[in-house]
Amino acid sequence: EPEVTQTPSHQVTQMGQEVILRCVPISNHLYFYWYRQILGQKVEFLVSFYNNEISEKSEIFDDQFSVERPDGSNFTLKIRSTKLEDSAMYFCASSAPQVVFSEQYFGPGTRLTVT
Amino acid sequence: SQQGEEDPQALSIQEGENATMNCSYKTSINNLQWYRQNSGRGLVHLILIRSNEREKHSGRLRVTLDTSKKSSSLLITASRAADTASYFCATDIEFGNEKLTFGTGTRLTIIP
Repeated sequence: EPEVTQTPSHQVTQMGQEVILRCVPISNHLYFYWYRQILGQKVEFLVSFYNNEISEKSEIFDDQFSVERPDGSNFTLKIRSTKLEDSAMYFCASSAPQVVFSEQYFGPGTRLTVT
Repeated sequence: SQQGEEDPQALSIQEGENATMNCSYKTSINNLQWYRQNSGRGLVHLILIRSNEREKHSGRLRVTLDTSKKSSSLLITASRAADTASYFCATDIEFGNEKLTFGTGTRLTIIP
């Protein structure tokens, strides 16, 4: 069964460093998303991406964040200058909106630890 | 309260019993989805129910949706130890905008 994959599974970085989290969505999906979950809290929407552009972003997704689909398969989230409060689990998801009311399928997540 | 709140926050039952979790939300929705999350792991999609549906089944899962009360329930029948996880509801509030808003989750523990 097709699945969303994410790399790395765990990333440790120092405050102020740039990180890039990578995702490979399900191949025939058209909508891509990033969510995050701070330890013990609910999953929060960051950004959605469709047709090579951001379709919506939350207030969390400030200028320190960017997304890119550099080729036909990868979808990346970049944090330019990490802060301690960016420590969280980051989930990528994809869906197939050509099917009405489609499910979002999530990857296993990348645990980002900022020290 | 926030869009998507589950209750109870935690539930412990004996293996073999049925588990019921509830989700309430504030605004009109297109659909509601339930996800499972094992500790520290990813989100597994369980079931999606559309706003014009009232009940849906998938294996041992039964989901109901009452749009007049803005609530949904997830029933897991004949629970197993492997069902131990956190369960979240997530709502999609606007057609064409598939941003999901997650609830706070119910932590389900199945006692062998």
